[in-house]
Amino acid sequence: LAKTTQPISMDSYEGQEVNITCSHNNIATNDYITWYQQFPSQGPRFIIQGYKTKVTNEVASLFIPADRKSSTLSLPRVSLSDTAVYYCLVGLVISGGGADGLTFGKGTHLIIQP
Amino acid sequence: AAGVIQSPRHLIKEKRETATLKCYPIPRHDTVYWYQQGPGQDPQFLISFYEKMQSDKGSIPDRFSAQQFSDYHSELNMSSLELGDSALYFCASSRLLSSGNTIYFGEGSWLTVV
Repeated sequence: LAKTTQPISMDSYEGQEVNITCSHNNIATNDYITWYQQFPSQGPRFIIQGYKTKVTNEVASLFIPADRKSSTLSLPRVSLSDTAVYYCLVGLVISGGGADGLTFGKGTHLIIQP
Repeated sequence: AAGVIQSPRHLIKEKRETATLKCYPIPRHDTVYWYQQGPGQDPQFLISFYEKMQSDKGSIPDRFSAQQFSDYHSELNMSSLELGDSALYFCASSRLLSSGNTIYFGEGSWLTVV
């Protein structure tokens, strides 16, 4: 499974755009990149998933360069409620006998200040 | 939309006792995953099932076992409980598609071993 590296923590302010970059140098051809948000004592919440180039949904954008060795989660105009831990997961999601469990690395503690 | 349902939400057991956690996946999801998250730690993958068969195994102790039933719900059985088993246990589910595999998490079951 590809190992991921993210910044341990980041600070920003309300209304700003926040970009969190994840490094995954040994990503495999079939691996997808998925980002989750987790609040204390709650289950991880799916944010966005992509394979290559750019993916956008109603809450975030995911930028993946051509070599796929990194990815950047972009959160537009953050608010205090975006304070959470953000995890980048990379792994083979479909194998011959089903899906492999994705491995959580060290997430990024994002703190949004007023 | 229906989410992953876990029960019980909270459980207190004594050392050496047995505990069983239940997970009801999102309707039409065929894959179930179990994760353990200790205090201040990142989620650790335990085990997964696809179509009622074990599909991947992580850092699940030998004292733990799990299965997925014909209605796709899953149970995690933990025996000879130790203090270190105190954690938040997440169940997640997904439906395998050729276009990817998005994993959705439940809110977790808190296990406290005293």
